[in-house]
Amino acid sequence: DTAVSQTPKYLVTQMGNDKSIKCEQNLGHDTMYWYKQDSKKFLKIMFSYNNKELIINETVPNRFSPKSPDKAHLNLHINSLELGDSAVYFCASSLLMGPYEQYFGPGTRLTVT
Amino acid sequence: GENVGLHLPTLSVQEGDNSIINCAYSNSASDYFIWYKQESGKGPQFIIDIRSNMDKRQGQRVTVLLNKTVKHLSLQIAATQPGDSAVYFCAENVFNFNKFYFGSGTKLNVKP
Repeated sequence: DTAVSQTPKYLVTQMGNDKSIKCEQNLGHDTMYWYKQDSKKFLKIMFSYNNKELIINETVPNRFSPKSPDKAHLNLHINSLELGDSAVYFCASSLLMGPYEQYFGPGTRLTVT
Repeated sequence: GENVGLHLPTLSVQEGDNSIINCAYSNSASDYFIWYKQESGKGPQFIIDIRSNMDKRQGQRVTVLLNKTVKHLSLQIAATQPGDSAVYFCAENVFNFNKFYFGSGTKLNVKP
């Protein structure tokens, strides 16, 4: 059983397009996150949600809009894609906010051409 | 905060040897730390954690050491196996702050 799942796993698109990445967790966790991992493997938090409410928006361009329809889902919509958006995007969840283990999804590799 | 860890260095070890991966963190207020393992094409996977009221914690074949004086964290892997080959990240959390800062990772290559 997959704990944190993301779709799609690979996404190739052209500059200027709009795309979405979906994330679901079946762990019953309250908190979910989006991270971006660049080509040098650096992981940086983008957003966190707790019980469908936005908690952290880490100075991400407003072309990125997360949406949490319920606490088991956190989707990421990206408008007007740019070359610099190419990265691997990871969804994660944790039981609660704060110092708790985060469970990561398998990642979505986004390539913008 | 974001100055956790080193720019992706590589550690090569022989199978069966012990490995030590190091991480420096910058926020003296951080009180919870996690080591993650990331295999190629996969998401980070929890290995072991430690809170700031401890200086050592052991798991199965892994030990984490925390030195708060010099803001240093290390991960020791005993009897390293080929399956341990991955990128290892340390992450720090400040109490009541809903954010982890990740280090840039260390790549571990295990030679058979």
